[in-house]
Amino acid sequence: GNSVTQMEGPVTLSEEAFLTINCTYTATGYPSLFWYVQYPGEGLQLLLKATKADDKGSNKGFEATYRKETTSFHLEKGSVQVSDSAVYFCAQRGGGNKLTFGTGTQLKVEL
Amino acid sequence: GAVVSQHPSWVICKSGTSVKIECRSLDFQATTMFWYRQFPKQSLMLMATSNEGSKATYEQGVEKDKFLINHASLTLSTLTVTSAHPEDSSFYICSASGEALGIQETQYFGPGTRLLVL
Repeated sequence: GNSVTQMEGPVTLSEEAFLTINCTYTATGYPSLFWYVQYPGEGLQLLLKATKADDKGSNKGFEATYRKETTSFHLEKGSVQVSDSAVYFCAQRGGGNKLTFGTGTQLKVEL
Repeated sequence: GAVVSQHPSWVICKSGTSVKIECRSLDFQATTMFWYRQFPKQSLMLMATSNEGSKATYEQGVEKDKFLINHASLTLSTLTVTSAHPEDSSFYICSASGEALGIQETQYFGPGTRLLVL
């Protein structure tokens, strides 16, 4: 079945450091891919998405490129801020608009 | 836009009682709502999908008689945990998708409801 694997956290970085959170997926066909962010005490918010191979989703300085050849959708940001501290979830959308999530990666950004 | 609310945000109940959680789309009509369960430090697990006016479709392993879902209007879905037990303690999250403003395929999530069964 469909699955999403993302790197375990927590990931701890200093402010202005470069961020990469790895995400790979298994699926039949070519699903749409998403990154969601969950700030402490809040629900999930859509961060970015890509619907086909080679698409790049971007938002708030975050980027992720849909790589069909490596079945990956790694999240990157060039310079993180303390306010980026949250849990990040990679997800794919299958039939019936169902989302399959990875286990989430907690990011802690320190001054 | 595309705001989803949940009520209550926190609930503590005694074992054997039933608890109802509401999920509302505040500024769009949600043709489909989803209910998830999240365990500590784990991912979201889809419990069921409900379309307005239809019976919910439950994922494998989810007891439909224990987790009653009603989606009676385009802005409201409810999840009732019947005869709750301590193992039902969890974080329950709903999401909604609709056709307004071209957001049919995107799910918008509520803030979640934390249930603790004593």
